[in-house]
Amino acid sequence: AQRVTQPEKLLSVFKGAPVELKCNYSYSGSPELFWYVQYSRQRLQLLLRHISRESIKGFTADLNKGETSFHLKKPFAQEEDSAMYYCALIPPGSGNTGKLIFGQGTTLQVKP
Amino acid sequence: EAEVAQSPRYKITEKSQAVAFWCDPISGHATLYWYRQILGQGPELLVQFQDESVVDDSQLPKDRFSAERLKGVDSTLKIQPAELGDSAMYLCASSPAAGPYEQYFGPGTRLTVT
Repeated sequence: AQRVTQPEKLLSVFKGAPVELKCNYSYSGSPELFWYVQYSRQRLQLLLRHISRESIKGFTADLNKGETSFHLKKPFAQEEDSAMYYCALIPPGSGNTGKLIFGQGTTLQVKP
Repeated sequence: EAEVAQSPRYKITEKSQAVAFWCDPISGHATLYWYRQILGQGPELLVQFQDESVVDDSQLPKDRFSAERLKGVDSTLKIQPAELGDSAMYLCASSPAAGPYEQYFGPGTRLTVT
């Protein structure tokens, strides 16, 4: 079945450690890929999108078409990075609907 | 800064009752989305509007759910009758247009069906 998979429900690291949040997808073709984040008591918001190839809050995400992955990385985690992170995509062939398919989410906990 | 508004924030209802949620998107945003998020899962699209027209309602349980966006601005999602399995967070999002654009989410409505 076509899906977005985030294999880790919880990722716990110490402040200053590198972080990698994994995302794998099973769609063929070239989906549009995103990472959304939800901080405690805040609404879901866009962190970054592959199409803009930008770095937000020190996070980057690399698309690996061969492995169909879009892992989110940050070299040095900060306590304020603690949040729920969702990988999402717009499936190929969705035209211009913008319909997002979300993964299950990974909780990142950064310990002091 | 403009935000998507939703009400109510919390709703408790008994099964078989009717319930309605309201969403006011960011002014000027033509595209409006309703998502359902079951605890421990990611959001799942229920329905998408482009202005007042439904673009995608393939995942909307149409026997009990309905959605409208009559003037292409705010929107209402209704469930009648509610079932225990409908307990979830209902999220509204908007974007300036359909496509690979940032979606701006509201705070959500937490529904509990007893």
